Amino acid sequence: AQTVTQSQPEMSVQEAETVTLSCTYDTSESDYYLFWYKQPPSRQMILVIRQEAYKQQNATENRFSVNFQKAAKSFSLKISDSQLGDAAMYFCAIAGAGSYQLTFGKGTKLSVIP
Amino acid sequence: KAGVTQTPRYLIKTRGQQVTLSCSPISGHRSVSWYQQTPGQGLQFLFEYFSETQRNKGNFPGRFSGRQFSNSRSEMNVSTLELGDSALYLCASMIAGGFNNEQFFGPGTRLTVL
Repeated sequence: AQTVTQSQPEMSVQEAETVTLSCTYDTSESDYYLFWYKQPPSRQMILVIRQEAYKQQNATENRFSVNFQKAAKSFSLKISDSQLGDAAMYFCAIAGAGSYQLTFGKGTKLSVIP
Repeated sequence: KAGVTQTPRYLIKTRGQQVTLSCSPISGHRSVSWYQQTPGQGLQFLFEYFSETQRNKGNFPGRFSGRQFSNSRSEMNVSTLELGDSALYLCASMIAGGFNNEQFFGPGTRLTVL
C-alpha cells in the first residue's frame, strides 16, 4: 500500500516570489515514480514534474523544481518566480514502477497574490 | 495531436439510475485509467485497462465497472447510482503501462446524482 500526505491544505505566494509545497509519502516499493500535478479551475490535470526514485538528481522543469529526500520520504515542489497562472490545486502522487495506478495526496490550494 | 476527450462533460442523474461515461485516449495510447475525484475522498483510482483487459482495479463496489474497446476507447458504468457517486470522473491515457511514460488526463465528466 502507498500513502501520500500533503500537510498544507492552502498556501499563498506573492507574484514573482518563491513558494515550496510539501509532500511526504510511504511505500513498500523499491522502485517508484513521484509526481506533482496541477489542477487549475478548469479541472484539467496537468503534469508539472516527475521524479524517478532511482535518480539522485532532483528533477527540474523551468521554474519548477523538486527536493527529493528518499530516506526521509519527502518530495517537495518549489515554484520560482510565481505567476498568476500558477494559481491552482497541486497534487503530489506516487506510482510503483510496475503498477498501473497513481496514489494521490489530498492536494494544496495555491493562491498567487498580484 | 488531439488530447484525451471525455463525454459527456456534465451529467445529472437520480438515485437508482445507471450511467455510462466515455473516454477517448490520445491516438496511439493503449492504456486507459479512470479516477474518481470528490471533495471528501480526493482522487481515487477506479481501474485501468490495456488492450481491452482490466489489469488493475481500485477499492470500489461492483456497481462500478468498465470496459475497453479494440480502438482503445473506454467506458465506465455505474449502476444503481447513490448520492455519494456525485463526483468528477477523470480518465487518463498512456502509450503503454508503466509510469516511465507520461499519463495524460482528460477534462473530466462532472456527475451529479440527485
